[in-house]
Amino acid sequence: QVQLVESGGGVVQPGGSLRLSCAASGFSFSNYAMHWVRQAPGKGLEWVTVISKDGSNKYYADSVKGRFSISRDNPKNTLYLQMNSLRAEDTAVYYCARDYGYATGTYMVYWGQGVLVTVSS
Amino acid sequence: DIVMTQSPDSLAVSPGERATINCKSSQSVLYSSNKKNYLAWYQQKPGQPPKLLIYWASTRESGVPDRFSGSGSGTDFTLTISSLQAEDVAVYYCQQYYSTPALTFGGGTKVEIK
Repeated sequence: QVQLVESGGGVVQPGGSLRLSCAASGFSFSNYAMHWVRQAPGKGLEWVTVISKDGSNKYYADSVKGRFSISRDNPKNTLYLQMNSLRAEDTAVYYCARDYGYATGTYMVYWGQGVLVTVSS
Repeated sequence: DIVMTQSPDSLAVSPGERATINCKSSQSVLYSSNKKNYLAWYQQKPGQPPKLLIYWASTRESGVPDRFSGSGSGTDFTLTISSLQAEDVAVYYCQQYYSTPALTFGGGTKVEIK
């Protein structure tokens, strides 16, 4: 069965950096676009970024553009999110999600359990 | 970006009764060339990640009970739970993928048991 397992969350000071990982299994990872979606405590869902199946196309929400970077290692079946210049408003649970397709992003068919990132001094 | 507005923010429904959730997009998400509405619905139970319920506005994901149905076109959409069960207590979100890659979600609707 499809599994997406996030790791790398924790507490970081404002201005700091963190790298999240998402280990995928149960499907052909290299055939699908992948997303990061976040959810601030008690709030709704916010799409953050998507990467195409081969990593050639990457897109970001305006709120994280220039600070976050998505990447993938297809032989290792792993998705990454490098987060720099973190702000208090980046505090959220970050979900890794698999897209329906392979390109720029449609809907999210499978989701991981999420990992909490807290930005606080 | 396309703004997705859901209503109501919350609703309480008696078991076995119908629950109706609305979602309105700031511009049409109907793609004229294929006549498809680029809209999905998700269910998020407390402490869990979201789960895909419906895509293309009305196609149920495999394994989703048939009491869940999606309807609408253009800018106005509805998720209906025909006979609410206790396990349907959750927050429901709509999401447009018309303006991919700039994907946007609605603010969510909390469904509770009356």
